[in-house]
Amino acid sequence: EIVLTQSPGTLSLSPGERATLSCRASQSVSSSYLAWYQQKPGQAPRLLIYGASNRATGIPDRFSGSGSGTDFTLTISRLEPEDFAVYYCQQYGTSPWTFGQGTKVEIK
Amino acid sequence: QVQLVQSGAEVKKPGASVKVSCKASGYTFTSYGISWVRQAPGQGLEWMGWITTYNGNTNYAQNLQGRVTMTTDTSTSTAYMELRSLRSDDTAVYYCARGGEYSTFWGQGTLVTVSS
Repeated sequence: EIVLTQSPGTLSLSPGERATLSCRASQSVSSSYLAWYQQKPGQAPRLLIYGASNRATGIPDRFSGSGSGTDFTLTISRLEPEDFAVYYCQQYGTSPWTFGQGTKVEIK
Repeated sequence: QVQLVQSGAEVKKPGASVKVSCKASGYTFTSYGISWVRQAPGQGLEWMGWITTYNGNTNYAQNLQGRVTMTTDTSTSTAYMELRSLRSDDTAVYYCARGGEYSTFWGQGTLVTVSS
């Protein structure tokens, strides 16, 4: 199965700063079938990005995804207070689908 | 509006089975697959598998093969996930989500606690 490794484990930033989250795959992700989710405590995950770079409906344009092959990035251009959460990448190109272990974005 | 409403919390003993339901509304049920994802306390997300709602084809995570069964009832737009031979490490919040690949809409989660 494809193992997704997210880094860093925790990112400590201030509101207004730029966040760059990495997701590295153990083998190439087919057709850039990679998604990013945001999860806050006690809530279900929220889809942010699919197909590596397509924003889901209603997602602000400060969220952007990029990458292909084995290296993918989620960028939050200017952190808003509501963006402090855990972020997961997921590949759905090769069965079984797999999630990364998550990156926590916390307030510095 | 699209909604996925899951059944309530369960407490089970080791070795027992649990069946979680997920009732969909606000869209044509057979137009999208249903995925199941679980999250152990304080841990990350684990993909369990998905079912194509129009024909019932399933794709399960290898580590759950033989213990998990996903089904649907198209007459009530409800999906089900049954997990057998429960162990303490099956304690988790179980989510259903619309879509067999990535998922835009999620249920509220069902806490399943396995404890003797």
